[in-house]
This record gives sequence, structure tokens and C-alpha cells, in this order.
Amino acid sequence: AQSVTQLDSQVPVFEEAPVELRCNYSSSVSVYLFWYVQYPNQGLQLLLKYLSGSTLVKGINGFEAEFNKSQTSFHLRKPSVHISDTAEYFCAVSDPTDKLIFGTGTRLQVFP
Amino acid sequence: DARVTQTPRDKVTEMGQEVTMRCQPILGHNTVFWYRQTMMQGLELLAYFRNRAPLDDSGMPKDRFSAEMPDATLATLKIQPSEPRDSAVYFCASGPTGLNTEAFFGQGTRLTVV
Repeated sequence: AQSVTQLDSQVPVFEEAPVELRCNYSSSVSVYLFWYVQYPNQGLQLLLKYLSGSTLVKGINGFEAEFNKSQTSFHLRKPSVHISDTAEYFCAVSDPTDKLIFGTGTRLQVFP
Repeated sequence: DARVTQTPRDKVTEMGQEVTMRCQPILGHNTVFWYRQTMMQGLELLAYFRNRAPLDDSGMPKDRFSAEMPDATLATLKIQPSEPRDSAVYFCASGPTGLNTEAFFGQGTRLTVV
């Protein structure tokens, strides 16, 4: 069975600073990896996904993530954050049966 | 603008009452998920369906929870009897088969059991 670990429950950062949100996964089969964002009182929406190919994936709102198979990681990065990036970020993994499992989330708080 | 629709958005009920939450997946999507979100547990997968058939409902307490898809346009999650510990936000999501594309989430149903 697959699982996802998000190592930081909260990440405070100042506006225009870079940020990295960490995600590690475990699975006995090939997986697909995702990052979703949740704004207050909203459902989740997709930021980016890794299916195959290039290990550096670019998503919406200037975010990118790098798949590292040897370290079983899929960390999310943004070189310069904005106040509007304040939200909850979820890493997720799915297997070939489409079972989609989420991590516990990382609360990104951007300060002016 | 295609979207997943969940009703009701908010529900307050007394312990012991039956609760039914409904979800209308995006037309053409044949994979449907139910998740429960709490502060303590995060997002838990309760059940998911493909072509209306349950693929996995191992995350769901079987004694009180049930999930069905009466037809392709409706998914339901029922709790009977409800308990205070069921208080949470319940999300429905849908996607095309081969979900290595994207799961589209509804706005959620906030359930409070008093």
C-alpha cells in the first residue's frame, strides 16, 4: 500500500522569499504524484503532477516540484512567494488502480 | 463550467440521526471518491468507485457508514446513526478513468453532530 508523509505541518515565510514544502512517499508499485492546494472553505485543486518523464514538473502559480526516485521524495518549491499563496498544501500519490491517498498537509503562511 | 456539486454545504444534526450527503460528479467522470477531513486525521479516503462499482471502501466504518452510486450522476454517503466524532468536512471528488490526470473536488459538506 502506498503512503505519503509531509514532514512539516506549518511553514511560515516572508513574502518574496523562496519556499520548499517537503513530501516523501512509499509504495511497492509505480506511482503518480500530485500536489494540491486548498484555500479556506474550499475544496482542493491541482497544482501539478508527475506521471513520467522529466523529473522537474512545473505547475500553476509559479510552483514546481522535483521527483526523486532514490529518495522517494516529491518536494514542492516556489522561488518567490506571495501573500496569496497562503493556503494548505497536500501531497498525494495514486497507484495504477487510481486509489488517491493524501498526506496530512502543510500550512503555508506568508507574512508581509 | 463543469464542477462537482455537493449538497448540503452545511449540516447540523443530533447524535443518533441519519445523515445523507450527496454528490453530483462531473458529467463523463467515472471515478468518484469520498474523503473526510478533520484537523486530527487530515484527509482520509473513505471509499472510491469506478463505473458506479465500489473499488475500495476499507477506510469507511462499516457499521454506520454506507456509500452508493444509484446512477452515474449521483453518489451518496450515509451515516446512520451519526455520532459527534463524525463531525468533519466530507469531500467528494471525481475524475476520468486513468486518474493520473486530475481529481476534481467539490466544495465539501461540513457536518456537525451535536
